Amino acid sequence: DGGITQSPKYLFRKEGQNVTLSCEQNLNHDAMYWYRQDPGQGLRLIYYSQIVNDFQKGDIAEGYSVSREKKESFPLTVTSAQKNPTAFYLCACTTVRSGANVLTFGAGSRLTVL
Amino acid sequence: QKEVEQNSGPLSVPEGAIASLNCTYSDRVSQSFFWYRQYSGKSPELIMSIYSNGDKEDGRFTAQLNKASQYVSLLIRDSQPSDSATYLCAVNGGIYNFNKFYFGSGTKLNVKP
Repeated sequence: DGGITQSPKYLFRKEGQNVTLSCEQNLNHDAMYWYRQDPGQGLRLIYYSQIVNDFQKGDIAEGYSVSREKKESFPLTVTSAQKNPTAFYLCACTTVRSGANVLTFGAGSRLTVL
Repeated sequence: QKEVEQNSGPLSVPEGAIASLNCTYSDRVSQSFFWYRQYSGKSPELIMSIYSNGDKEDGRFTAQLNKASQYVSLLIRDSQPSDSATYLCAVNGGIYNFNKFYFGSGTKLNVKP
């Protein structure tokens, strides 16, 4: 997992509940990302953060919220406003290799709405 | 139009054959290109990156980039059953958007023993 820890691995939620997915990294990386993956689809960007106390919406931010109070942590909250939250959620950081940014992923969190 | 397009497959090849995976992208200013392998239920892992036109080889894997035609490909030589996975093509967002990455939907590869 390259020093990126996501928890929980599996999570079940009832409709109308908010849930928070944890992402912690010990790689001292500045940029962190949250992606969502649905079966047969690619990864879609939810939010990303380049520095502490700053984050930007990705392509599918509606129904999600994030915070970046510490460099090591970038939790994602799936709110009740997210109409179809069942998906595989991936947290990632960038590292620089050969002068280019490269994404490294955590193990993922699978959220199922009951 | 999607930023990154891949054939979803599945692509089936016999063990020992060459598997060829293709990807096209729409943003001409993209500068970094990646191939990730994703086993079922697992997170993607980086297997190749390429930044300039031409071929880049790493073991059994060769990445090919053609910026004029806006395509990138991955060749897997001597395919093994353990190569069976979904391969995701990813493109960096270019010099004005270098912190964003766009992914294709992936090509599922089946290597038959």
